[in-house]
Amino acid sequence: EPEVTQTPSHQVTQMGQEVILRCVPISNHLYFYWYRQILGQKVEFLVSFYNNEISEKSEIFDDQFSVERPDGSNFTLKIRSTKLEDSAMYFCASRGDGGNSPLHFGNGTRLTVT
Amino acid sequence: AQSVTQPDIHITVSEGASLELRCNYSYGATPYLFWYVQSPGQGLQLLLKYFSGDTLVQGIKGFEAEFKRSQSSFNLRKPSVHWSDAAEYFCAVGADSGGGADGLTFGKGTHLIIQP
Repeated sequence: EPEVTQTPSHQVTQMGQEVILRCVPISNHLYFYWYRQILGQKVEFLVSFYNNEISEKSEIFDDQFSVERPDGSNFTLKIRSTKLEDSAMYFCASRGDGGNSPLHFGNGTRLTVT
Repeated sequence: AQSVTQPDIHITVSEGASLELRCNYSYGATPYLFWYVQSPGQGLQLLLKYFSGDTLVQGIKGFEAEFKRSQSSFNLRKPSVHWSDAAEYFCAVGADSGGGADGLTFGKGTHLIIQP
C-alpha cells in the first residue's frame, strides 16, 4: 500500500537555525497537510496546501513557517529561525480527490531544538 | 469553533476484556468523524471513519464506533482487546475526509494500557 514518507525521522537543531522537513506524499494525491504534536499534547493542524498554494493555515503557522512543493513529489515545511517551543513531532499528510478520500499520515519527524 | 473532547487520558484494560473509548465533539454542521491510532514512534493510522449513513461503523483491527448525534458522541469500542492494541488513540472531527481546508481537529488522545 502506498505510504506518505517523511525524512528525517529525527532532527536536532540549535535555536535560531533554519530547518526543512521533507515529505513525499502519495503520488496521486492532491491535498497536502502539515500537523504538529508537541510532546504529550494533541495533534494540531498547521497548514493545508492544494494546487500549489496554501488553502488554510492555523494561528500556529506564523511568518517563521513556510511550505513548498518544489517538484512533483516533495512537500516541505521550512522553519526559518527555530525556537525552543518548535520542538515537536511534525506529521505530513495527504489525500486524494473526492470528498470521502481519507487522510494518510506519515510517521513524522521529531524536531528537537536545543 | 469545532472541538473534540476525550475525557479519559489513560485507560487500563485487561487483555481479552472489552474496551470503550469516549469521544465527544462540538461541530456546527454535519461532522466527519475519525478515530486514529498511534503506536510509539509511529504515525497516525486511520482506524475508522463516519461520514453518513449507518451510525455504527466498522474499522480495522476489530474496532467499531457508534455515532450518536443526540449525545454528540463517537465512542470507539472493541469486544476483546489484544496486547498489541496498546497505543494512543485520537478522535478527530472535520469538514470532510481530510478535514477540509481547516484540517482535522483532534482530541488530546487516550493512552490505552493493556495488562496481562
